[in-house]
Amino acid sequence: QVQLQESGPGLVKPSQTLSLTCTVSGGSISSGSYYWSWIRQPAGKGLEWIGRISTSGSTYYNPSLKSRVTISVDTSKNQFSLELSSVTAADTAVYYCATYHTIFKTFDYWGQGTLVTVSS
Amino acid sequence: QSALTQPASVSGSPGQSITISCTGTSSDVGGYNYVSWYQQYPGKAPKLMIYGVTNRPSGVSNRFSGSKSGNTASLTISGLQAEDEADYYCSSYASSNTWVFGGGTKLTVL
Repeated sequence: QVQLQESGPGLVKPSQTLSLTCTVSGGSISSGSYYWSWIRQPAGKGLEWIGRISTSGSTYYNPSLKSRVTISVDTSKNQFSLELSSVTAADTAVYYCATYHTIFKTFDYWGQGTLVTVSS
Repeated sequence: QSALTQPASVSGSPGQSITISCTGTSSDVGGYNYVSWYQQYPGKAPKLMIYGVTNRPSGVSNRFSGSKSGNTASLTISGLQAEDEADYYCSSYASSNTWVFGGGTKLTVL
């Protein structure tokens, strides 16, 4: 069973870049069965899909965040990463990494989530 | 790309059935059979309950069922139990390799 763990700074200053890494265990990130995704949830609010990357490196992003988001994959470390530039307080949220099963068309495994606060 | 519309809250008594709706457009819910439902307890990650509109992952109780009509998907929980009290979110494929979530519904078991 795939397990995911997010890591990265819990506090980021406004206008800086938020950087998070998701470490995959229990399976290979090179598996063609998954897209590797990031999803966030501001406190007390709903979920927002940020974007995803395939094993081949193909990326798709939420149009509302596209200009500020970069998702990359490091197959040698079994990790994928999120960068969100020019952050503001509105980017404060719990960030989840998740697998998207390409056959079942669903987000089936989730990390525990990591809170990132944007504040000076 | 707008969030799918869910009622903010629903409630029911133990043993009853409740239904949570998830309304989108023909570009997401109505256009694809790729609707999923997730259960989330406070402070926890979402858990997949339904995928592909009607399918339950292994280990999910058969008290949970999904359906879809037009641009609206629904999650029904029968035989309501105290442990079902949680937030529920729907999601759908939304074309052009993007996905969208609903705003969430808080289920209260009275």
